Amino acid sequence: EIVLTQSPATLSLSPGERATLSCRASQSVSSYLAWYQQKPGQPPRLLIYDASNRATGIPARFSGSGSGTDFTLTISSLEPEDFAVYYCQQRSNWPPITFGQGTRLEIK
Amino acid sequence: EEQLVASGGGLVQPGGSLRLSCATSGFSFSSYSMNWVRQAPGKGLEWVSYISSGSSSIYYADSVKGRFTISRDNAKNSLYLQLNSLRAEDTAVYYCARDHCNSHSCFRAFDMWGQGTMVTVSS
Repeated sequence: EIVLTQSPATLSLSPGERATLSCRASQSVSSYLAWYQQKPGQPPRLLIYDASNRATGIPARFSGSGSGTDFTLTISSLEPEDFAVYYCQQRSNWPPITFGQGTRLEIK
Repeated sequence: EEQLVASGGGLVQPGGSLRLSCATSGFSFSSYSMNWVRQAPGKGLEWVSYISSGSSSIYYADSVKGRFTISRDNAKNSLYLQLNSLRAEDTAVYYCARDHCNSHSCFRAFDMWGQGTMVTVSS
């Protein structure tokens, strides 16, 4: 099973700042890495698929990069609605499909 | 409007059973592979099960294998998850989630999620 480790666990930033979230895989997942945003009481929302492709309707301030074992989600300038929990997910060597433990992005 | 609506959750005793449903609308359900993903209270996301568009491929997480059964009825545009031999650690919100596809390809992500249905296993 491929284990995804996200860092940091919590990130405290202010609106307008740049956010950089990391996801590291225990073995290569090629580019089969997705990112999701989840707000309280809501289901997750797909942001990025195949490591760097924005999903439909996702603002350009969200970008993904990386391949192999190291991936990054960058939010270029934080908006108030971006404060949420973010998960990475791999589907390279599956089953199982696995998720990271999440990064909580909170307002400083 | 494309929509997934999960239902069937509730309070059940350990060892009991439940059947979850996911009613879909607004898209060609029979063309998409589907999944169940769960989230225990205050915890992260855990993939539970996958079923291909024609039900030819089915996979489960080890934690539910032999206890849960995924199925679908393409004529009714519906996805199901039969939960048997339930344990306290199965307590979670259960989401149905659609595989991400466009007109040309399918990708290894979930692009649409239902709102979830809560399953509580407790005596």
